[in-house]
Amino acid sequence: SQKIEQNSEALNIQEGKTATLTCNYTNYSPAYLQWYRQDPGRGPVFLLLIRENEKEKRKERLKVTFDTTLKQSLFHITASQPADSATYLCALARRNSGNTPLVFGKGTRLSVIA
Amino acid sequence: DAGVIQSPRHEVTEMGQEVTLRCKPISGHNSLFWYRQTMMRGLELLIYFNNNVPIDDSGMPEDRFSAKMPNASFSTLKIQPSEPRDSAVYFCASSVLGGNTEAFFGQGTRLTVV
Repeated sequence: SQKIEQNSEALNIQEGKTATLTCNYTNYSPAYLQWYRQDPGRGPVFLLLIRENEKEKRKERLKVTFDTTLKQSLFHITASQPADSATYLCALARRNSGNTPLVFGKGTRLSVIA
Repeated sequence: DAGVIQSPRHEVTEMGQEVTLRCKPISGHNSLFWYRQTMMRGLELLIYFNNNVPIDDSGMPEDRFSAKMPNASFSTLKIQPSEPRDSAVYFCASSVLGGNTEAFFGQGTRLTVV
């Protein structure tokens, strides 16, 4: 069956360190992979999109990698700050066409401790 | 644009009652998604529309759930009759084109069935 697994439910990290979150998937061949941030009581907010032919994407302190052989994406936040504390969700779009929806992992709750 | 607008923000209803959740997507977006979020199951796709046409409703849990999109600017998700296990946060999201572009989420409707 198809699965999207994010490595842990919760991750605690010291301010200033790099946070690394993992997203693994099985029985998908996604053309795109996206990362979202969700704060309590709010809807997810888009952060980054990476295509299957891209190995790496960066945006300010964020970096995403996408390894279609390992079926894995890594999401990094460098120089983490308490304001980065939130739940981070990875999402896949299936390969065959643009007319397919996003399916989400359960998320990893990141806490950055000052 | 004001973003995706959902109403109501909170709904408390008695078991057996009909519940209608509403969504106004971002103007110009062709795809609309309904998701349900719980602690146990995370963010689950219920149904998605493309150009107002339902494409995939395989995530709708039971016949008690139905969704419509009568025009490009309005969608409803109805539960009739409601049950306590339907208690969750329901999100509507829209995107320009399916899962290959970023999705914009509404603030969600927190449904409590007692």
